[in-house]
Amino acid sequence: ILNVEQSPQSLHVQEGDSTNFTCSFPSSNFYALHWYRWETAKSPEALFVMTLNGDEKKKGRISATLNTKEGYSYLYIKGSQPEDSATYLCAFRSSGTYKYIFGTGTRLKVLA
Amino acid sequence: NAGVTQTPKFRILKIGQSMTLQCTQDMNHNYMYWYRQDPGMGLKLIYYSVGAGITDKGEVPNGYNVSRSTTEDFPLRLELAAPSQTSVYFCASSYFSVQGTNQPQHFGDGTRLSIL
Repeated sequence: ILNVEQSPQSLHVQEGDSTNFTCSFPSSNFYALHWYRWETAKSPEALFVMTLNGDEKKKGRISATLNTKEGYSYLYIKGSQPEDSATYLCAFRSSGTYKYIFGTGTRLKVLA
Repeated sequence: NAGVTQTPKFRILKIGQSMTLQCTQDMNHNYMYWYRQDPGMGLKLIYYSVGAGITDKGEVPNGYNVSRSTTEDFPLRLELAAPSQTSVYFCASSYFSVQGTNQPQHFGDGTRLSIL
């Protein structure tokens, strides 16, 4: 059974703070890792698709890195804003399968 | 552009009843997925399909059935509803090419199902 873990489970930060969270996944047979942002009462929306070791992706104040050899990905938010409040999910796919295994998410609350 | 459409949005069922959750997408995606979201548990894969006529079990398939007769539609069937199936259900789709293009999943708005 593949295990995808995210930490921390939840996080409160002040507006303007920078923050980061971790997604850990099996380091063997890596195929792809996705990051999603999930606001309350909405559906998950894709942030990043990461496929190569060393990948760094950026979208505005949010960026992500990937280390497939050690099995982790970091998501960074610079200068957090209240509208960044959401649950951030990662989803891992190993080679030879069509399935994505989701982590349980990191719930971020940005306080104004 | 509708994306992924799920119906109904809410439903209350009695134990033992059956129902079908509908999912349709208009993006010509070949991959489709059904997930359930339980509190504190993230998204668990129920069934998935890589193309019309092809379906396979995910992590938690017991108590559910699916079919994929067309590219657009991927209905999820509950035959004998049980309280343990109370959850929020999400359908998703994505495109995968033989060249290995890796695209993220697009999600529907979810169906909130309560079994009483």
